[in-house]
Amino acid sequence: KQEVTQIPAALSVPEGENLVLNCSFTDSAIYNLQWFRQDPGKGLTSLLLIQSSQREQTSGRLNASLDKSSGRSTLYIAASQPGDSATYLCAAAALSKAAGNKLTFGGGTRVLVKP
Amino acid sequence: SAVISQKPSRDICQRGTSLTIQCQVDSQVTMMFWYRQQPGQSLTLIATANQGSEATYESGFVIDKFPISRPNLTFSTLTVSNMSPEDSSIYLCSVGWGAGELFFGEGSRLTVL
Repeated sequence: KQEVTQIPAALSVPEGENLVLNCSFTDSAIYNLQWFRQDPGKGLTSLLLIQSSQREQTSGRLNASLDKSSGRSTLYIAASQPGDSATYLCAAAALSKAAGNKLTFGGGTRVLVKP
Repeated sequence: SAVISQKPSRDICQRGTSLTIQCQVDSQVTMMFWYRQQPGQSLTLIATANQGSEATYESGFVIDKFPISRPNLTFSTLTVSNMSPEDSSIYLCSVGWGAGELFFGEGSRLTVL
């Protein structure tokens, strides 16, 4: 059974610093890995999707890496801003023949960027 | 991507009653899932909503408690039956195409008194 862990659970940084969020998973047989952002009381916003054949994916200030062999993914957010304050979730997808992607979520990292 | 609308966005319900949550997508999707997020917790998959057939439930979730319908490729409902305070959670609909990126609705926040 896949288990996904995110460390640290919470992170506070001053504005302008780079953020490094870690995600580890126990079963390397993943189809892809997805990073999400969740604001308080809201749904999830998809940030980046990394296919299992990829090593990294970039979107603006966000960069996510994937190392399947070690069971790790890292989300980097450059030059953090107060608007980046949110909970960041990673989720590993196991391909189910019957139902396509099924995501196993980590516990999330709650980020606070202080002005 | 997809625009996903969930109704209700929030509700307060009495113990023992049932509530049906709707998920409407602005385009046809192959995959629809229902997740639960308990207070302070991450997301847990409840079931996969299959069009025209019974949903596929994850371990710990049963059809009698969480009946799901999916009459077409753009709509699904999740019912939380015989509610108790332990059912207080955010329920989220998720959609996708094949084995690609998944998108989530805004969620339905349920409080059971």
